[in-house]
Amino acid sequence: DADVTQTPRNRITKTGKRIMLECSQTKGHDRMYWYRQDPGLGLRLIYYSFDVKDINKGEISDGYSVSRQAQAKFSLSLESAIPNQTALYFCATSDLFGDTQYFGPGTRLTVL
Amino acid sequence: QKEVEQNSGPLSVPEGAIASLNCTYSDRVSQSFFWYRQYSGKSPELIMSIYSNGDKEDGRFTAQLNKASQYVSLLIRDSQPSDSATYLCAVFHASGGSYIPTFGRGTSLIVHP
Repeated sequence: DADVTQTPRNRITKTGKRIMLECSQTKGHDRMYWYRQDPGLGLRLIYYSFDVKDINKGEISDGYSVSRQAQAKFSLSLESAIPNQTALYFCATSDLFGDTQYFGPGTRLTVL
Repeated sequence: QKEVEQNSGPLSVPEGAIASLNCTYSDRVSQSFFWYRQYSGKSPELIMSIYSNGDKEDGRFTAQLNKASQYVSLLIRDSQPSDSATYLCAVFHASGGSYIPTFGRGTSLIVHP
């Protein structure tokens, strides 16, 4: 089984809808991250969490919120989806050193 | 805003040649540097990390770091078509007492037979 899983893998939704992307990990890592990737723009950090009670905004947090339900689970929500949130979303984890990132398989989100 | 710059490419090299990928960063106190490989539609996977000035070799890959010039590079020797992918440079910088990553936009590498 994969160490970092994301659900759903693909999602098509409409403008204004609320959507949640979920990430689970079995690596036992404390640190979890959400990124979005757009063509030609690399990975941009949305939110990160260093433990269950620690949530931090990243470079592009506007329009997103997160919830760290447990050490192993980190969810990303779009309260009211808009078309420019169409992107590939990755969850990642790292250990306490926080260096090597282990990525999930990604969620491809399309907002119509 | 911490910046990590990479030439988007594509960088095209013949099979068997050396591919040289470059990355510059803006935060002088950055401590950790990473190269990830990403195949189209897949998640990034770690190739190498480097923390000290100089060269670090792992098989066909060599990472080079020059903190004075704020420059990190990745050399791929004996390039193979299977090396064709996007290579992402990641730099950890200080933020609120912790270190968080900033990724470059990636360089597309094409290795042609």
